[in-house]
Amino acid sequence: QAVLTQPSSLSASPGASASLTCTLRSGINVETYRFYWYQQKPGSPPQYLLRFKSVSDKQQGSGVPSRFFGSKDVSGNAGLLLISGLQSEDEADYYCMIWHNSAWVFGGGTKLTVL
Amino acid sequence: QVQLQQSGPGLLKPSQTLSLTCDISGDSVSSNSATWNWIRQSPSRGLEWLGRTYYRSRSYNDYAVSVKSRISIDPDTSKNQFSLQLISVTPEDTAMYYCARKRVADDVFDVWGQGTLVTVSS
Repeated sequence: QAVLTQPSSLSASPGASASLTCTLRSGINVETYRFYWYQQKPGSPPQYLLRFKSVSDKQQGSGVPSRFFGSKDVSGNAGLLLISGLQSEDEADYYCMIWHNSAWVFGGGTKLTVL
Repeated sequence: QVQLQQSGPGLLKPSQTLSLTCDISGDSVSSNSATWNWIRQSPSRGLEWLGRTYYRSRSYNDYAVSVKSRISIDPDTSKNQFSLQLISVTPEDTAMYYCARKRVADDVFDVWGQGTLVTVSS
């Protein structure tokens, strides 16, 4: 079982909100991890969006709109990336990442379609 | 403005050695406030962190378990660059390879190279 699992795809309408999940493998406590989120568009490397561990330990990337924000679903053992007021330019692949067992580990990514 | 410029061959045969270089401008490979990383991406393996080099009074390296027996990441302070060597490549090593800086202050991969598509095929 992978350390981080993301749904492969998600669709939402312009103006709506989207919740992207990043589920941590069973047995690993989500509360102890910082979740980092990256956005990737075709032909470009990933770009940092934000990180979230708790309300008191979070950071927004430089120039990243406030409609992108992080959270956690503790009962679901998952990190969340929430995007409100979806725009066409938000269509991209989104990756979560954590530091686990002395290595950076990425989720498999979610392709977000805005239509 | 920090920039990373990658160079190296894009086509290899199985069992050969993958060698890529990442030239740094606007920062220093010996900086105490950054780590210098290699990350690859393929449809089958997704994004995979391979390892890093960094200076804290001396040079350190960390490698992913999946490639630890085959990888070397080395800094070159005279050229302000760092390199990736991966020996005994197979078609499973076919991927887009990126170098990336990670800032210590906020733990962010904030600057990436342009990427090098490496194909391993006989």
